[in-house]
Amino acid sequence: DAGVIQSPRHEVTEMGQEVTLRCKPISGHDYLFWYRQTMMRGLELLIYFNNNVPIDDSGMPEDRFSAKMPNASFSTLKIQPSEPRDSAVYFCASSPKISTDTQYFGPGTRLTVL
Amino acid sequence: AQRVTQPEKLLSVFKGAPVELKCNYSYSGSPELFWYVQYSRQRLQLLLRHISRESIKGFTADLNKGETSFHLKKPFAQEEDSAMYYCALSANTGTASKLTFGTGTRLQVTL
Repeated sequence: DAGVIQSPRHEVTEMGQEVTLRCKPISGHDYLFWYRQTMMRGLELLIYFNNNVPIDDSGMPEDRFSAKMPNASFSTLKIQPSEPRDSAVYFCASSPKISTDTQYFGPGTRLTVL
Repeated sequence: AQRVTQPEKLLSVFKGAPVELKCNYSYSGSPELFWYVQYSRQRLQLLLRHISRESIKGFTADLNKGETSFHLKKPFAQEEDSAMYYCALSANTGTASKLTFGTGTRLQVTL
């Protein structure tokens, strides 16, 4: 298994543009998490899904952020419009039903908004 | 609400010296604490959890409820220990365990 897959690995865009980050969780994992990592705030949970259903999106910073999980093997995090303060590393993680404390992280997407 | 505090952004030690990465938490429930590690060019991964009471790569961590701490320790640091370390607290929300991470401490082991 290749583990959690994220794309793109790096994204540079201009302020105001739409950005879409993608994630493929480990097959068989029921939970999927999106995190944002910054120097100031560390790792912050944005949203998580259980069996493709969003359970808790209280960490989503504002309406410009949205996340979907149309099926068990794919999720997207969209920022529209993007702003320079959205620059960060975005991680996706998944976990099996039995132990949601052990989360398996993807390599992350480094987003730079100019 | 739960909170995890890692007071040091950077900890630099010499090879062979003892290491202690500090972690304090606040949580009204019964906490479950974890340490995650991210080595250079690798993914963030679970290092250890307090309920296992295990030693991984020579690291141990004891949950001290009186001091609300979960410090990570190793008696003799190795170069390969250089990495970013995150302390995390699990708050069981009913459907999943939601992890709250600290801001992380970068451990730098030098010769």
